[in-house]
Amino acid sequence: NAGVTQTPKFQVLKTGQSMTLQCAQDMNHNSMYWYRQDPGMGLRLIYYSASEGTTDKGEVPNGYNVSRLNKREFSLRLESAAPSQTSVYFCASRTGWQDTEAFFGQGTRLTVV
Amino acid sequence: KNEVEQSPQNLTAQEGEFITINCSYSVGISALHWLQQHPGGGIVSLFMLSSGKKKHGRLIATINIQEKHSSLHITASHPRDSAVYICAVRRRGGADGLTFGKGTHLIIQP
Repeated sequence: NAGVTQTPKFQVLKTGQSMTLQCAQDMNHNSMYWYRQDPGMGLRLIYYSASEGTTDKGEVPNGYNVSRLNKREFSLRLESAAPSQTSVYFCASRTGWQDTEAFFGQGTRLTVV
Repeated sequence: KNEVEQSPQNLTAQEGEFITINCSYSVGISALHWLQQHPGGGIVSLFMLSSGKKKHGRLIATINIQEKHSSLHITASHPRDSAVYICAVRRRGGADGLTFGKGTHLIIQP
């Protein structure tokens, strides 16, 4: 029972490089989310997808794009990485129908140098 | 001012002590979540509350909607309870997703 799986777990990028963070869930959840966690701050919402085929901006979307590839997968892309995007990124999912428990991936620790 | 405030930010206690972590919020919510994060680890959901009280093992969570306040209690604390405890709310209306507090770093010493 994998739950929410994120890849990679660690990544170092040079400024200006691009990369895609992958997230997949096997719980048949409708809603999926990308958050970032920075020292001294609470997690902040980057983008979310309420259902397959829809995506919406969260609190801090600048510099990111997302794709809801299918019901299982929700990817986060950094087109031109900046040092300010150094963070730990978490993917999460929930059923979406009502207020329900959220399930989180193990996180991706990204460093942009 | 943050919409979700937790206190204390850091807490060190001895094994066996009763622990209380507080969360206050300033927005209308449909639910409040308590989450646990171990160092270098992922985030695990402990409770989701919209009213009243929930208990799971040694953990108890309460919420007072009128006062916009929630507490997480740990009875008979153990070193394995050492973690960051995070309060998060789902805002009524507005964007989907959770709004998080900064977390409470709990250390239980043997």
